[in-house]
Amino acid sequence: DAGVIQSPRHEVTEMGQEVTLRCKPISGHNSLFWYRQTMMRGLELLIYFNNNVPIDDSGMPEDRFSAKMPNASFSTLKIQPSEPRDSAVYFCASTGGRGAFTDTQYFGPGTRLTVL
Amino acid sequence: KQEVTQIPAALSVPEGENLVLNCSFTDSAIYNLQWFRQDPGKGLTSLLLIQSSQREQTSGRLNASLDKSSGRSTLYIAASQPGDSATYLCAVTQGGSEKLVFGKGTKLTVNP
Repeated sequence: DAGVIQSPRHEVTEMGQEVTLRCKPISGHNSLFWYRQTMMRGLELLIYFNNNVPIDDSGMPEDRFSAKMPNASFSTLKIQPSEPRDSAVYFCASTGGRGAFTDTQYFGPGTRLTVL
Repeated sequence: KQEVTQIPAALSVPEGENLVLNCSFTDSAIYNLQWFRQDPGKGLTSLLLIQSSQREQTSGRLNASLDKSSGRSTLYIAASQPGDSATYLCAVTQGGSEKLVFGKGTKLTVNP
């Protein structure tokens, strides 16, 4: 298996532009997570989906952020408009859905976003 | 609100030394605790998962313990090697959710 795939790996954009990050989870996994990592705040969960349905979006910072999962093999995280404080590494992770007791999360390599 | 703390933030040891990384959490009502490794510029790799009913898990030179009542976990690394250099993060889940709450990590450097 190729693991969790994220694209792009690096994104540099200017303030005010729309940014779309993409994630392909491991085939057969039914939970997908979006995280953001910064030096100041560490790794924070933004949103997670189970069977393509958003379960917890309490970590989404504001209305500029939105996430979708149109099918089991694809998810997007969109920031519109982007701001310099959104600069961070964004990770996608997936799990096999055996339950919180036993499941480990498999992380993608991340997208490093820089907003100028 | 669950908070996870890892001390120290950074640790440097000579090769071959045994070492312990610490993790504490404020709410003991967890479902499991996981230790991850993160290499520079890379994603996270799961090392060990301890269910709330378990006391420890072992994998090779790694041993993780869990004391849920005191809100503490340790990751023991035996006979450290330069290849162990990385940032180690612990995370907990609770409330029937798959949501992970992470500590900020301990950056480990093993010097040859």
